[in-house]
Amino acid sequence: DTGVSQNPRHKITKRGQNVTFRCDPISEHNRLYWYRQTLGQGPEFLTYFQNEAQLEKSRLLSDRFSAERPKGSFSTLEIQRTEQGDSAMYLCASSVGPGETQYFGPGTRLLVL
Amino acid sequence: DQQVKQNSPSLSVQEGRISILNCDYTNSMFDYFLWYKKYPAEGPTFLISISSIKDKNEDGRFTVFLNKSAKHLSLHIVPSQPGDSAVYFCAVDYAGGTSYGKLTFGQGTILTVHP
Repeated sequence: DTGVSQNPRHKITKRGQNVTFRCDPISEHNRLYWYRQTLGQGPEFLTYFQNEAQLEKSRLLSDRFSAERPKGSFSTLEIQRTEQGDSAMYLCASSVGPGETQYFGPGTRLLVL
Repeated sequence: DQQVKQNSPSLSVQEGRISILNCDYTNSMFDYFLWYKKYPAEGPTFLISISSIKDKNEDGRFTVFLNKSAKHLSLHIVPSQPGDSAVYFCAVDYAGGTSYGKLTFGQGTILTVHP
């Protein structure tokens, strides 16, 4: 299966700890997106990459959040000094290019205690 | 401000009948509209889309209708099947902007199709 993969699928952490999530997009997909979904809501855009360049960040993405996509392949999303409000499903999606169909991974569910 | 609204949190339909899911948006700049389906423990899956130059797009049992003047789109599923039970999200995009591809989603509608 060559779909989008995300690891870990679940993460439980204590408030104040740092966490890092990984996303492996579909091969040769230039665009990679991060979204966050909380209970009862649709996914909310966080940031996206065109190859290795991070082109836009939502104001939802505080200074505690950082994302990278070295070499334009996989991407990581790190949250420093986690807060209970960071508890959510973090979704990654990739597409061939802008406006093309976005294929989502299964998500990483984060619970901050 | 909620730019995309799905006002029905849930919908229950009998197998074989039509399911109609609705979505309203506020910004007339949006010109590309999509529906995604999500099963538990999986990411959203693309279902069907429509651009603002059309008012209808069909793909098998799924049809999306766009009413630009009312800023409203709907998804029709005919006939509905139990396997269609899932959460359905509408999403919008703006092709003319620098953020083309940055989707804005509605809150979702839980569809349950009863055998």
